Amino acid sequence: GAVVSQHPSRVICKSGTSVKIECRSLDFQATTMFWYRQFPKKSLMLMATSNEGSKATYEQGVEKDKFLINHASLTLSTLTVTSAHPEDSSFYICSASPKHGTVNSPLHFGNGTRLTVT
Amino acid sequence: GNSVTQMEGPVTLSEEAFLTINCTYTATGYPSLFWYVQYPGEGLQLLLKATKADDKGSNKGFEATYRKETTSFHLEKGSVQVSDSAVYFCALRRPGAGSYQLTFGKGTKLSVIP
Repeated sequence: GAVVSQHPSRVICKSGTSVKIECRSLDFQATTMFWYRQFPKKSLMLMATSNEGSKATYEQGVEKDKFLINHASLTLSTLTVTSAHPEDSSFYICSASPKHGTVNSPLHFGNGTRLTVT
Repeated sequence: GNSVTQMEGPVTLSEEAFLTINCTYTATGYPSLFWYVQYPGEGLQLLLKATKADDKGSNKGFEATYRKETTSFHLEKGSVQVSDSAVYFCALRRPGAGSYQLTFGKGTKLSVIP
């Protein structure tokens, strides 16, 4: 089945530093990747949609200068949290839509990254 | 706009009990409907899906039927196990949405005790 690898699974960083999270589709090409943030006891909040080779589309309220998204190839998207602060601590999850998928095709999710900013 | 409403949890059941997690949706047209499961510390995994009215999705003993008349997609399992403890998300994708974006419910946490 389709596999999405997200790395790292956990990261602890100091306030003010930047952290990069990678999302790779291992056995399929992903035209579109999505980045979600999950708060405790809350659902997934879509942060942005990235399409290979173009700029990401951010949801309202998400700071594009703080959460940099790059989708340089059909198998890799990265999320960089710049100048991280404790309030950025959260669980970040990526998902990928296959290149030849349809609206009936499920999204494939990575295992998430637990970010803790101290 | 599109929205998904799930029953609020947490839900605590004894092993072998019957499970129902309600899910209703609001969408234009005929969306595709999904149930995803999230085990502790992990990402989401597709549990089952249905793409048109009266379709029944099933997997690992879980079932859900796409009910257009009641705009519902309730998740059921006849006999839950401890290993089913997880958070369950109902989601929809509207045809013609272009970006294949999913709209999620808020999730329902299920705890199954021995």
